Amino acid sequence: GAGVSQSPSNKVTEKGKDVELRCDPISGHTALYWYRQRLGQGLEFLIYFQGNSAPDKSGLPSDRFSAERTGESVSTLTIQRTQQEDSAVYLCASSLDFGGQGYIQYFGAGTRLSVL
Amino acid sequence: GQNIDQPTEMTATEGAIVQINCTYQTSGFNGLFWYQQHAGEAPTFLSYNVLDGLEEKGRFSSFLSRSKGYSYLLLKELQMKDSASYLCAVRRGYGQNFVFGPGTRLSVLP
Repeated sequence: GAGVSQSPSNKVTEKGKDVELRCDPISGHTALYWYRQRLGQGLEFLIYFQGNSAPDKSGLPSDRFSAERTGESVSTLTIQRTQQEDSAVYLCASSLDFGGQGYIQYFGAGTRLSVL
Repeated sequence: GQNIDQPTEMTATEGAIVQINCTYQTSGFNGLFWYQQHAGEAPTFLSYNVLDGLEEKGRFSSFLSRSKGYSYLLLKELQMKDSASYLCAVRRGYGQNFVFGPGTRLSVLP
């Protein structure tokens, strides 16, 4: 597609339930990132995928969070046993991942997660 | 450690010039990016600096001093649509390790 697509745009769930968030990167972009943005805060890095390399999971806040990506296509972020502090906007970004401005990240509109 | 500081909020008048500062303390600095984020929307790329100096792009300019760990984004001829948050992000090393600052919320008043 023309841009990074995320779904759903909004998700309301009950505490303790699992949620799955989806990201479709820009075609041809080898790098994919997930970030969390709490209300009024900056972006918090969660995980990074680059091609078929092992993902950088250093930003995942707990073992309730996991993410997968198939090759250079769709990625899913899964949050198990959601807690109220998981409420945030989850942003996905992709980039070409080479040379200077190739590292520019293009963001999706995000998924707003509300845990009741 | 790594730390990026930006002012939390700024206010300016339509038609004026505003400078948004970003200071960083990171190891392995390898480029600084500025993004604009309107409320409820995705961040969009504004500028990129890897060498010292000024990069100009229309009404927006960005400056970098690596020795001082300092950057600024300069917005000229402010328009109401420039009201947004401005995020400073540092790339560390040769991988995809990016650290984002907390963002500066700019309000442009008539």
